[in-house]
Amino acid sequence: DAKTTQPTSMDCAEGRAANLPCNHSTISGNEYVYWYRQIHSQGPQYIIHGLKNNETNEMASLIITEDRKSSTLILPHATLRDTAVYYCIVRPPLNTNAGKSTFGDGTTLTVKP
Amino acid sequence: EAEVAQSPRYKITEKSQAVAFWCDPISGHATLYWYRQILGQGPELLVQFQDESVVDDSQLPKDRFSAERLKGVDSTLKIQPAELGDSAMYLCASSYGLRGTGELFFGEGSRLTVL
Repeated sequence: DAKTTQPTSMDCAEGRAANLPCNHSTISGNEYVYWYRQIHSQGPQYIIHGLKNNETNEMASLIITEDRKSSTLILPHATLRDTAVYYCIVRPPLNTNAGKSTFGDGTTLTVKP
Repeated sequence: EAEVAQSPRYKITEKSQAVAFWCDPISGHATLYWYRQILGQGPELLVQFQDESVVDDSQLPKDRFSAERLKGVDSTLKIQPAELGDSAMYLCASSYGLRGTGELFFGEGSRLTVL
């Protein structure tokens, strides 16, 4: 499984966009990028995933560089409730028993008033 | 919205005792995962089931940990005997598996404290 590198921590002002980077330079051509977040004392929550195209849903946007070696999760209007640890994961192709989601230590995002 | 159910939410035990955690995945989810999360670290995969079969248990300390999913639905993770270093959050997750798009759905976790 490809390894990811994320900053340990980031701050963001409430109401501003939060841009969380992730490096995955060893990603394979058919591996997907997934993002999860974990609010204190809860289980991780799925946010979004993508292969090569940019993706957007009701929670966030995912921007993947053309070479696929890095990505950015964007929370367009951060709120205090977005304070959490954010994990970037790359995993083998979908629909395979070999798929394993390997979590690193993530980025602790603190949204400040 | 369907959720992954886990119990107990909290467990305090003494070292050398046995402890068990239960997980009921979202209905229809074929793949079930047990993760261990030590405070301040990301979750670490212990075991992955596809239906009732173990797909990956390479990180499961098999001398003291066991996991089963007998009917391919709910699952139990057991530790015997518990050691001080086992204090952690034990997370269960499920996914659609072969029919899905890969995202995991996590339960609230079972927090274990070994004294």
